Amino acid sequence: GAGVSQSPSNKVTEKGKDVELRCDPISGHTALYWYRQSLGQGLEFLIYFQGNSAPDKSGLPSDRFSAERTGGSVSTLTIQRTQQEDSAVYLCASSLRSGASGGRTDTQYFGPGTRLTVL
Amino acid sequence: GNSVTQMEGPVTLSEEAFLTINCTYTATGYPSLFWYVQYPGEGLQLLLKATKADDKGSNKGFEATYRKETTSFHLEKGSVQVSDSAVYFCALSDPRRRGGSQGNLIFGKGTKLSVKP
Repeated sequence: GAGVSQSPSNKVTEKGKDVELRCDPISGHTALYWYRQSLGQGLEFLIYFQGNSAPDKSGLPSDRFSAERTGGSVSTLTIQRTQQEDSAVYLCASSLRSGASGGRTDTQYFGPGTRLTVL
Repeated sequence: GNSVTQMEGPVTLSEEAFLTINCTYTATGYPSLFWYVQYPGEGLQLLLKATKADDKGSNKGFEATYRKETTSFHLEKGSVQVSDSAVYFCALSDPRRRGGSQGNLIFGKGTKLSVKP
């Protein structure tokens, strides 16, 4: 089956514009994560969806960042009024479930990422 | 809070050399530990994992043992190949966290490995 896919693969935008990044998780995976990979900060967790529960937004760096997940599948990460420091690779991952009972953690499968460049 | 510390790179080795990439962690609860690898131009892939103390994860000749007493999860390979050149990330996940996200990964900064023929 197909892995996690993300689009676009590359996005160049001007400072102040809004951007939307898309993630298609592996079919049947109930947990979906967004991470950001940048030179200065490494890999950072942004937001996490688990089934129909309210998302965990604790990693979002500012209120310019938001994400939604429609129908428990596709997710969109939106960055409003982009700034140069938003330039990074945005990674999406999915897993069958998360924080399963008994302390088991399911493997997260990562997409290829979207490279965002803000000029 | 939870954190992961990896040895800084880059690491350059000759083919067939022994590899160790150190990783230590700070965590509450009972984290699961992971090594992810990112080959040039590719996405992150899980290399191996261990979910409890004294577990050994292994894959593609790489090994790492979950050492609770030293809070470490060092990555080792006895004989590296040119094809092992990549960036390696140590990560942890605390599946028993309540109230916040369960299972989001906390990554180290990554260690770039270059293997020369």
